[in-house]
Amino acid sequence: QKEVEQDPGPLSVPEGAIVSLNCTYSNSAFQYFMWYRQYSRKGPELLMYTYSSGNKEDGRFTAQVDKSSKYISLFIRDSQPSDSATYLCAMSAWGVQGAQKLVFGQGTRLTINP
Amino acid sequence: EAQVTQNPRYLITVTGKKLTVTCSQNMNHEYMSWYRQDPGLGLRQIYYSMNVEVTDKGDVPEGYKVSRKEKRNFPLILESPSPNQTSLYFCASSLFGGAGGYTFGSGTRLTVV
Repeated sequence: QKEVEQDPGPLSVPEGAIVSLNCTYSNSAFQYFMWYRQYSRKGPELLMYTYSSGNKEDGRFTAQVDKSSKYISLFIRDSQPSDSATYLCAMSAWGVQGAQKLVFGQGTRLTINP
Repeated sequence: EAQVTQNPRYLITVTGKKLTVTCSQNMNHEYMSWYRQDPGLGLRQIYYSMNVEVTDKGDVPEGYKVSRKEKRNFPLILESPSPNQTSLYFCASSLFGGAGGYTFGSGTRLTVV
């Protein structure tokens, strides 16, 4: 079983829709949860970052972490064609020498149709 | 501009010919890491470094070497490349390790024939 599971999609929605992206994980030691966005032929860029359980909002984006269910989500409101990209969840835990290992989900390819 | 710079962006080589992919960051980050990205497998960590002269294996280290002689540079070395190392490679750096998120380079697409 993978440490982090993410539905690879692809996911295609009309412009203006609310998008929900999700990941589940098995390692209860994970404390830091991130969402990265990756455009074609580019490196991943950090989109949202949360520590432990709870919600975090940044403009049209909301990240949600439920540690009891080992489940994280990213919501995109009023989706735009420019949001079309692959979204990767990632998480890490403190090790002996720091939170050096970042484990990624497989990535969900999202297309927003005008 | 704060960035992670990888070179080359594209590389085609033959089996067994040693190669080095360079990585440099200008943010004075402690942590650096190499990942490979393959369809259906996502991003997998190859090696990481917590500081100068401190490195450790990630999930898929076989066939790769790294060194960290300077804080800003973290080259990835393939001593004897094989076709199964054909992949998209990313270097990344972070101030706090995974806790603060990583800044990624633009990637190196390697093809081994």
